[in-house]
Amino acid sequence: NAGVMQNPRHLVRRRGQEARLRCSPMKGHSHVYWYRQLPEEGLKFMVYLQKENIIDESGMPKERFSAEFPKEGPSILRIQQVVRGDSAAYFCASTTSRGEKLFFGSGTQLSVL
Amino acid sequence: QKEVEQDPGPLSVPEGAIVSLNCTYSNSAFQYFMWYRQYSRKGPELLMYTYSSGNKEDGRFTAQVDKSSKYISLFIRDSQPSDSATYLCAMSDVDSNYQLIWGAGTKLIIKP
Repeated sequence: NAGVMQNPRHLVRRRGQEARLRCSPMKGHSHVYWYRQLPEEGLKFMVYLQKENIIDESGMPKERFSAEFPKEGPSILRIQQVVRGDSAAYFCASTTSRGEKLFFGSGTQLSVL
Repeated sequence: QKEVEQDPGPLSVPEGAIVSLNCTYSNSAFQYFMWYRQYSRKGPELLMYTYSSGNKEDGRFTAQVDKSSKYISLFIRDSQPSDSATYLCAMSDVDSNYQLIWGAGTKLIIKP
């Protein structure tokens, strides 16, 4: 049973480009969280999704950031017109339902040049 | 003041020592308490999950929750170099829609 899969592991973008981060949850999990982590800092919640539904996006910047979790396929975190301040590790976690234990992927390290 | 406070360390101890990691919090409504371990360049993995107050033991790991003091601890007995990692506490309550609130993590180094 594969764990939470994130790709790519490393993503390099120039300022102004778009970044697309993918997350395939564990088999049987229908809830996905996205977190951002800066060095020496804890995890910052961004968005919580169920399939085809955004439950809570209170942690996501209003501009340039969007997330989806379609009925088929992985969850996508999309960052448009990236800036240097977007450089961070982005982690996805999945769970069976609200309030249950989270299982994390290995993250995508985004570097903006 | 942050909702969850955690000393970032680093905490360096010799192999075999007992390690104590702690978090304090301000929201008395928190009921679910978790400890995650994160190795460098990896995602966090769940170590301990406790509900409300009390102790929970799993092998060399013991989690304690003191709700009256708003204080949680993770103890590691017979520490090993492989325990070297960052340990993050996280907590939530029903009212926050089970949204986890995270500590900043404590970097632990076990010296052989």
